[in-house]
Amino acid sequence: QVQLVESGGGVVQPGRSLRLSCAASGFSFSSYGMHWVRQAPGKGLEWVAVIWFDGSEKYYADSVKGRFTISRDNSKNTLDLQMSSLRAEDTAVYYCARGFGLGYFDPWGQGTLVTVSS
Amino acid sequence: EIVLTQSPGTLSLSPGERATLSCRASQSVSSSYFAWYQQKPGQSPRLLIYAASSRATGIPDRFSGSGSGTDFTLTINRLEPKDFAVYYCQQYGGPPYTFGQGTKLEIK
Repeated sequence: QVQLVESGGGVVQPGRSLRLSCAASGFSFSSYGMHWVRQAPGKGLEWVAVIWFDGSEKYYADSVKGRFTISRDNSKNTLDLQMSSLRAEDTAVYYCARGFGLGYFDPWGQGTLVTVSS
Repeated sequence: EIVLTQSPGTLSLSPGERATLSCRASQSVSSSYFAWYQQKPGQSPRLLIYAASSRATGIPDRFSGSGSGTDFTLTINRLEPKDFAVYYCQQYGGPPYTFGQGTKLEIK
């Protein structure tokens, strides 16, 4: 079955970096755009970034532009999110999600929690 | 950026009743690019509806979506206990993709 498993979350100090990964299985990973979506504790959903199926296009939310980098390795079926200059407001559960069409998300991974705190 | 505003913030209903959730966009959204998700506590969101009115795989026909332009609606008929959750709307006309703030459907 289609499965997305995130890893790499943890506690990090403000200004530091962290790299999240998402391992995909059960589908043709190289055929789909992939997204990162985050959810701050007790809050709603915020789209973070998308990468096209072949990595040719990448787009970011204004809140993370210039600090986060999305990438993928289609040979390994993995999606990454490199996060730098982290801020307290980046604290959230980060989900990876498969994109359909222009961008609805199905399915979602179980999420990985990133806490930015000194 | 298209802002989505969901109403009501909280909806209190009893099992067996019908729920009507609304989502209003700050500018017109193509109905081809509108979705609804359900999220239960401690779980990831689950796709319910895409293209405004198409049910995702495995979603019962008690769930239906409608709307166009700036006003979209999710209707849940014959509420079951497992339907009580938070529901989010989303537009995906192109990045940035945006979500509504959510409607919490709670048991009355």
